Amino acid sequence: EIVMTQSPATLSVSPGERATLSCRASQSVGSTVAWYQHKPGQAPRLLIYGASTRATGVPARFSGSGSGTEFTLTISSLQSEDFAVYYCQQCHQWYTFGQGTKLEIK
Amino acid sequence: QVQLVQSGAEVQKPGSSVRVSCQASGGSFSSYAINWVRQAPGQGLEWMGGIVPIFGTPNYAQKFQGRVTITAGDSTTTAYMELSSLTSEDTAVYYCARDRGVQGVLYGMDVWGQGTPVTVSS
Repeated sequence: EIVMTQSPATLSVSPGERATLSCRASQSVGSTVAWYQHKPGQAPRLLIYGASTRATGVPARFSGSGSGTEFTLTISSLQSEDFAVYYCQQCHQWYTFGQGTKLEIK
Repeated sequence: QVQLVQSGAEVQKPGSSVRVSCQASGGSFSSYAINWVRQAPGQGLEWMGGIVPIFGTPNYAQKFQGRVTITAGDSTTTAYMELSSLTSEDTAVYYCARDRGVQGVLYGMDVWGQGTPVTVSS
């Protein structure tokens, strides 16, 4: 089973600043990584698939990069609605999620 | 645009089973991977298993092998997840979710049900 490890567990950033979230796979998964945003009381929302392609309706401030075992989600200028928990997910061998990064207001 | 509607909240006793349904409306269903994901209180998202209805054979996460059964007929628009031998650690919100890729190609889950809370308590 492929293990996805996210860092940091919690990230404190001020509105308007840039946030960088990391995800590492225990073996190569090519570019088959997705990123989700999850807010309390809501279903998760797909942000990025194929490591770098934004899903429908996702603002351009969200970008994904990486391949193989190292992946990054960048939010270029944080808005108030961006504070949430973010998960990476590998889709190479069915799925596994990372443990999540909580993005909180500094 | 497809929507997934799940069955309502459940309260079950330890040792029993629970069955949650997920009905699709307004779009295609049978050629996409339909998955079950749960979130226990204070925990992260956990993929339990999935099925592509036109292929028929489900795939389960190792943790749930032997305890979960996922079904979906290729001529229906409803998927089911049954979890047996429940313990308090199975208390969670259970989501169904459809992958955006067709014919079983996996990209990520872009359509989600509203979630079904399951409480296991004596």
